[in-house]
Amino acid sequence: KQEVTQIPAALSVPEGENLVLNCSFTDSAIYNLQWFRQDPGKGLTSLLLIQSSQREQTSGRLNASLDKSSGRSTLYIAASQPGDSATYLCAVGTNAGKSTFGDGTTLTVKP
Amino acid sequence: DGGITQSPKYLFRKEGQNVTLSCEQNLNHDAMYWYRQDPGQGLRLIYYSQIVNDFQKGDIAEGYSVSREKKESFPLTVTSAQKNPTAFYLCASSMGPTFRSSNQPQHFGDGTRLSIL
Repeated sequence: KQEVTQIPAALSVPEGENLVLNCSFTDSAIYNLQWFRQDPGKGLTSLLLIQSSQREQTSGRLNASLDKSSGRSTLYIAASQPGDSATYLCAVGTNAGKSTFGDGTTLTVKP
Repeated sequence: DGGITQSPKYLFRKEGQNVTLSCEQNLNHDAMYWYRQDPGQGLRLIYYSQIVNDFQKGDIAEGYSVSREKKESFPLTVTSAQKNPTAFYLCASSMGPTFRSSNQPQHFGDGTRLSIL
């Protein structure tokens, strides 16, 4: 059974700092990996999706990498802003359409 | 604008009562999903449907039921058999198995928060 772990559970950084969020998974036979943002009391917003054949994806200040062999993905956020404060979740997808989620990392960016 | 609509935003259940959460999408997606989120935790899959008139149990299906009579709609019923229903429920959709690509992001609604009276 796939297990997804996100460390740390919470992270606090000053504005402007670059940071990395980590996601690890136990079964490397994945279909894709998706990073989401969740604001308090809200649904999930998709940030980046990496297909199993890809190594990374970029969108603006965000860069996500995938290393299937080691069971790891990272989300890099450049020049963090207070508006980036949210919970970030990673989800590992199968070709049956199911996804397994990590518990998330809650990020606070202080002005 | 295309998207997923969940209603109601807040719902209260009495003991022994069944309640139904609505999920509607206008993205023309084949696949739809229901997740449960408890405080400080990630999402756990309750049920999913890859095509109309078909659905499968997820990891925590006990005490829940679903139907998929229309492509746009995937309602979730929380039955009285679910002894701990208080949670945040999220509905999602994706293109589905007919779109043969791993580039299929899941799109989410804004959720329904269910509490016990």
